[in-house]
Amino acid sequence: DTAVSQTPKYLVTQMGNDKSIKCEQNLGHDTMYWYKQDSKKFLKIMFSYNNKELIINETVPNRFSPKSPDKAHLNLHINSLELGDSAVYFCASSQGRPNEKLFFGSGTQLSVL
Amino acid sequence: AQSVTQPDIHITVSEGASLELRCNYSYGATPYLFWYVQSPGQGLQLLLKYFSGDTLVQGIKGFEAEFKRSQSSFNLRKPSVHWSDAAEYFCAVGATGRRALTFGSGTRLQVQP
Repeated sequence: DTAVSQTPKYLVTQMGNDKSIKCEQNLGHDTMYWYKQDSKKFLKIMFSYNNKELIINETVPNRFSPKSPDKAHLNLHINSLELGDSAVYFCASSQGRPNEKLFFGSGTQLSVL
Repeated sequence: AQSVTQPDIHITVSEGASLELRCNYSYGATPYLFWYVQSPGQGLQLLLKYFSGDTLVQGIKGFEAEFKRSQSSFNLRKPSVHWSDAAEYFCAVGATGRRALTFGSGTRLQVQP
C-alpha cells in the first residue's frame, strides 16, 4: 500500500481553469504539507496542516486554497490557473514534533498551457 | 530565517568512486539537518538526519553525513557509488518551532559506468 498517494499524477490544463489535486496518507500522521517544486528543482513549502488545522501558510497567491477534511487528507484547489503555476506539487506527511521525517508522495506534474 | 546552499548543481562520478555532496546552512541556533534523495518521477526519500549528539550520522544505502558547526556544513558522503545512486539529492534544514523544512536547490548526481 502506498503511504502517501496523490492524484492525478499528471494534470494538463488551460490558463484560467480551476483544478484540484488530492492527497491521502495511510500512515496515521498528524501533519500534512504541500510543497511546490519548480523547473529548477527548488522545493518550497506552501501549506501545512496539523490535525486539520492550518499551521503554515507561506506567501502563496490566494488562488491556492488547501482543504483538509480529516487528518488523513489534504487537497489543493487552484483557481484561475496561470502559466507560472506549472510545476510539480508534492504532498508530504509527518508525525510528532516539528521537523520529523517527511514522507512524500510521488508528485503531481501540473502543466498550464 | 534559515537557508540552505548546495553549491554543486550537477556532479558526475564513476561507479565505484567516492562521493561527497556539499551542503551549507545558515541558522542562528543548532539546526536539524536532513538529506533527501529524489529518483526520477518519484517523491523524496529521507537518507539521514541530524538532530543532536554524534556529528557523524549514518543513513540508508551506505550514505553518511558529518555536521561541522564551525563550517556550517553538513556534507553527504559515500565511499563507493553505485549506478543506482544516480538521482537528485536535497539538503534541508529545520528549526525549532517551525513545522516545515527549508530545502536547498538540489545536486544532480550522474554515475558513469
